[in-house]
Amino acid sequence: NAGVTQTPKFRILKIGQSMTLQCTQDMNHNYMYWYRQDPGMGLKLIYYSVGAGITDKGEVPNGYNVSRSTTEDFPLRLELAAPSQTSVYFCASSLATGDLRNEQFFGPGTRLTVL
Amino acid sequence: GDSVTQMEGPVTLSEEAFLTINCTYTATGYPSLFWYVQYPGEGLQLLLKATKADDKGSNKGFEATYRKETTSFHLEKGSVQVSDSAVYFCAPRANNLFFGTGTRLTVIP
Repeated sequence: NAGVTQTPKFRILKIGQSMTLQCTQDMNHNYMYWYRQDPGMGLKLIYYSVGAGITDKGEVPNGYNVSRSTTEDFPLRLELAAPSQTSVYFCASSLATGDLRNEQFFGPGTRLTVL
Repeated sequence: GDSVTQMEGPVTLSEEAFLTINCTYTATGYPSLFWYVQYPGEGLQLLLKATKADDKGSNKGFEATYRKETTSFHLEKGSVQVSDSAVYFCAPRANNLFFGTGTRLTVIP
């Protein structure tokens, strides 16, 4: 199993550009998550999904969109990039969140810089 | 709302020193408690967890005990190694997972 994979690893955007961060998991997990990690800070939840076709906002959803057309994929879309979105983005997945004991598995991250 | 307070870093220790990283939380309900570790250039990995009061999670020589009465989940290791240099995150899970700010540990030979 590859686990959770993310592409690209690094990206530099200009203000106003758009891009999609890709995330794929091969563990057949129902739940997937997107976090951002700002320097010296913990992770903040952007969006999450409890299954294909179902998504919901996390703590910091503004400026982002997501979709979940398959169990495996959970792309994160930035429509109009702003410098405040400079961060490291992590995708994660887990089994059903109804069981709080289930751990989340994280991808290696995408480092995004908006200039 | 849910929150977690984690000991601020950075922490620098000599090899074989004793490590404690404090973590206290406020959460609705009865959360599960996790410690995640982030090695340089990598994503987060689960280090250990505890799911009910007085449970002790342990892994790779690290331990943490779920203290419901003090809402704490302090991370300890008796003898750190250079390879333990990383950022450590305390992460309670009530509904969703929420993270502390992380504590950067550097172990010097």
